[in-house]
Amino acid sequence: DSGVTQTPKHLITATGQRVTLRCSPRSGDLSVYWYQQSLDQGLQFLIQYYNGEERAKGNILERFSAQQFPDLHSELNLSSLELGDSALYFCASSVALEGGTEAFFGQGTRLTVV
Amino acid sequence: DAKTTQPTSMDCAEGRAANLPCNHSTISGNEYVYWYRQIHSQGPQYIIHGLKNNETNEMASLIITEDRKSSTLILPHATLRDTAVYYCIVRSSNTGKLIFGQGTTLQVKP
Repeated sequence: DSGVTQTPKHLITATGQRVTLRCSPRSGDLSVYWYQQSLDQGLQFLIQYYNGEERAKGNILERFSAQQFPDLHSELNLSSLELGDSALYFCASSVALEGGTEAFFGQGTRLTVV
Repeated sequence: DAKTTQPTSMDCAEGRAANLPCNHSTISGNEYVYWYRQIHSQGPQYIIHGLKNNETNEMASLIITEDRKSSTLILPHATLRDTAVYYCIVRSSNTGKLIFGQGTTLQVKP
C-alpha cells in the first residue's frame, strides 16, 4: 500500500458526461501529480500541484481540469467525455518538488466511456 | 526535461541477476535518476533513486556511471513476480515531475 488513495476504482459513464476523480495524497505530501494511461500506452503526465498551486502542466486537454484543495487532496475533472478518454488515471504524491524524495502512486481509477 | 533511452525488452532467468540499462546523456547536475516498475495495470511502484553515488535498498541496486550519462538497475535475484515494465526517469529539478518513457519490459522466465 503506497498510502495514496484514489476513488473511485472503476467508473463507467456515457459520452458527453462529466466525471470527477479524487486523489488523497500520503500524509504530509504537498505535491500531487496526475497521469493518464490509455490501453497499451505509456503514462502521460497531465498536471502537477504543489500546496494548492499549479506547478507544471503536461498534455492535458482543455476539457480536463484539476485542483488541489487546502486539505491537499486533489480532484481531476473530465468533461464532455469521449470514447478516447477511456483510460487508467493515476495520481502520485511526494513531499517536496525537488528530486531526492520518493513519489508514490495510487492504484488508479479505471474510466470507461461508452 | 532530460530524456532516457532503454531497451524495449529483456529476458532474465529466475534466480539470476537482472541488469537493466538506461542512457540519460542530457541529465543535468542536480537531476536525480529514478526507477519505477509497473506490473500489469497496477500503479507504478517506486524502486530506487540516486544522484551520483550507487544506491542499494531491499529491492534493488542502482549503479550510476561517473559521468552520470547512464545507469543500471540491478535486481539481484529475479523472481517471476519481477516480470514488469521498468521505467528509468530523470526527475525534473524545477518541478519534480516524472516523465515516463516507454520503459523496458522485463520477462523473468523459469
